[in-house]
Amino acid sequence: NAGVTQTPKFRILKIGQSMTLQCTQDMNHNYMYWYRQDPGMGLKLIYYSVGAGITDKGEVPNGYNVSRSTTEDFPLRLELAAPSQTSVYFCASSNTGGSSTDTQYFGPGTRLTVL
Amino acid sequence: QKEVEQDPGPLSVPEGAIVSLNCTYSNSAFQYFMWYRQYSRKGPELLMYTYSSGNKEDGRFTAQVDKSSKYISLFIRDSQPSDSATYLCAAGGSNYKLTFGKGTLLTVNP
Repeated sequence: NAGVTQTPKFRILKIGQSMTLQCTQDMNHNYMYWYRQDPGMGLKLIYYSVGAGITDKGEVPNGYNVSRSTTEDFPLRLELAAPSQTSVYFCASSNTGGSSTDTQYFGPGTRLTVL
Repeated sequence: QKEVEQDPGPLSVPEGAIVSLNCTYSNSAFQYFMWYRQYSRKGPELLMYTYSSGNKEDGRFTAQVDKSSKYISLFIRDSQPSDSATYLCAAGGSNYKLTFGKGTLLTVNP
């Protein structure tokens, strides 16, 4: 199993450009998450999904959009990139979505810079 | 007040030292607690999880939860240079989401 994969690894965007961060998991997990991590600020939840076709906002959803058409894929869309979106983005997945015996598996991250 | 507070450090210790990492939380709805380890430029990986108050041990690592004082700790015995990483505490309830602390950067010097 590859686990959670993310593409691209790095990206530089200009202000106002759009892009999609890709996330795929091969563990047949129902729950998937997108986080951003800023230096010294921990992980902030952007969006999450409890299954194909179902998504919901997290703590910091403004400026982002998601979709979940399949169990495996959970892309994150930035429509009008702003410097405040410069961050490292992590995708994660879990099986049961919140029990003491479950865990979230993280991808390797995408480093995004908006100039 | 942030729901999970964690001292960001950085923390620098000599090899072989006992390391204590701590977090406090404010939300009584949190039911389980986790520690993630994140190496530089990598994604976080689960290190320990606990559900009830008390201690849980796994090799050199011990996770401790005190729900009465809303305090969670991670102890690392006989620390090694390979333990150098950022350690993130996290708390979860019944709503599918984890709330993370800011992370503590640990360096173990040979």
